[in-house]
Amino acid sequence: DSGVTQTPKHLITATGQRVTLRCSPRSGDLSVYWYQQSLDQGLQFLIHYYNGEERAKGNILERFSAQQFPDLHSELNLSSLELGDSALYFCASEYTGELFFGEGSRLTVL
Amino acid sequence: AQSVAQPEDQVNVAEGNPLTVKCTYSVSGNPYLFWYVQYPNRGLQFLLKYITGDNLVKGSYGFEAEFNKSQTSFHLKKPSALVSDSALYFCAVRDIRGAYKYIFGTGTRLKVLA
Repeated sequence: DSGVTQTPKHLITATGQRVTLRCSPRSGDLSVYWYQQSLDQGLQFLIHYYNGEERAKGNILERFSAQQFPDLHSELNLSSLELGDSALYFCASEYTGELFFGEGSRLTVL
Repeated sequence: AQSVAQPEDQVNVAEGNPLTVKCTYSVSGNPYLFWYVQYPNRGLQFLLKYITGDNLVKGSYGFEAEFNKSQTSFHLKKPSALVSDSALYFCAVRDIRGAYKYIFGTGTRLKVLA
């Protein structure tokens, strides 16, 4: 158990819909990273938050947004969903250069 | 831009034999390099990291990695493979210039045959 909690574990929705994925980092960790894992594109960095502030952005679509709240949990919002958004979404917190990953949220868009 | 490449999609090795999973990197400045493992339906788990110091880094589960600056490589190794080592392995580099993020390779699936 990494100590990072992600909900929901599985989510099935339709094209055009909006979903929110939630991540709680390990106790005391200030950083949250979001990654998208799909079969053909490996692990793609989306965004990094540190203590509530956005620190880095990767290949995150404009339809996606994220934030980190004062209690350090983070949410990734995906809107106007397309079939190609189907993937496993991971969050990770960081301590001394080591990432601790959650179990992921598997999103299926039908 | 910082990047890592894993040239092999899959590596097959017999149980008990040594294994190597390859990774090359492209960075500006000193590289911070990592290996992670992913078992089916699980998140990634940290194996080891190279920041500075000895070129041979020892990590979890008997794995080690050799940093080679001249060849810009950071190959993952284990002297004797176990069937339970079968998993997806990712090499990663930390971008420390300005934006602070970790870039992962495409992953190599290791299959250890009994």
